[in-house]
Amino acid sequence: SQKIEQNSEALNIQEGKTATLTCNYTNYSPAYLQWYRQDPGRGPVFLLLIRENEKEKRKERLKVTFDTTLKQSLFHITASQPADSATYLCALDTSGTYKYIFGTGTRLKVLA
Amino acid sequence: DAGVTQSPTHLIKTRGQQVTLRCSPISGHKSVSWYQQVLGQGPQFIFQYYEKEERGRGNFPDRFSARQFPNYSSELNVNALLLGDSALYLCASRNSPRGQENSPLHFGNGTRLTVT
Repeated sequence: SQKIEQNSEALNIQEGKTATLTCNYTNYSPAYLQWYRQDPGRGPVFLLLIRENEKEKRKERLKVTFDTTLKQSLFHITASQPADSATYLCALDTSGTYKYIFGTGTRLKVLA
Repeated sequence: DAGVTQSPTHLIKTRGQQVTLRCSPISGHKSVSWYQQVLGQGPQFIFQYYEKEERGRGNFPDRFSARQFPNYSSELNVNALLLGDSALYLCASRNSPRGQENSPLHFGNGTRLTVT
């Protein structure tokens, strides 16, 4: 069955360092992949989208890579700040079926 | 512009009861989706509606139903509530149900449903 895996353990890093989050998927070939941020008690907020034919996408301090051979996406936050502390979710759009499959999310904590 | 709005924000129900959750999409968005998020998990797809028609359904029992109105707002209904239905119910809207790859989901802040 289709499966998306994100590191379920919380990731703690020091302010100013680069945070790297992983999203692995199996039994699926998505046309594109998205990353969302979710704060406690709030709905997810869209961050970045990357297509299957794109290797890398950047937006300010954020960078996403997409390796369709490894079936993996990496999400990087450079020069991390305490305000970046949140849960980060990856999502695959099952093209043609209108639904998104989300990973369980990785909780990031940036320590001042 | 207002974002996606959901009501109520919190709800407590008893097992066996029925509940209706409401969602207003971003103005101009014709597609509305519903997701269930259990604590510690990612959102799980329940339904997607576009132009008042159901365009997708997730692996949820028939106790779950939804509809979309002419103004594109939507309701999610859950009958015969079970303890396991306790979750955050998220509504999301987007510009198009498919095709536009740069049309991400815009989520509301959800309705926290507790079933006792």
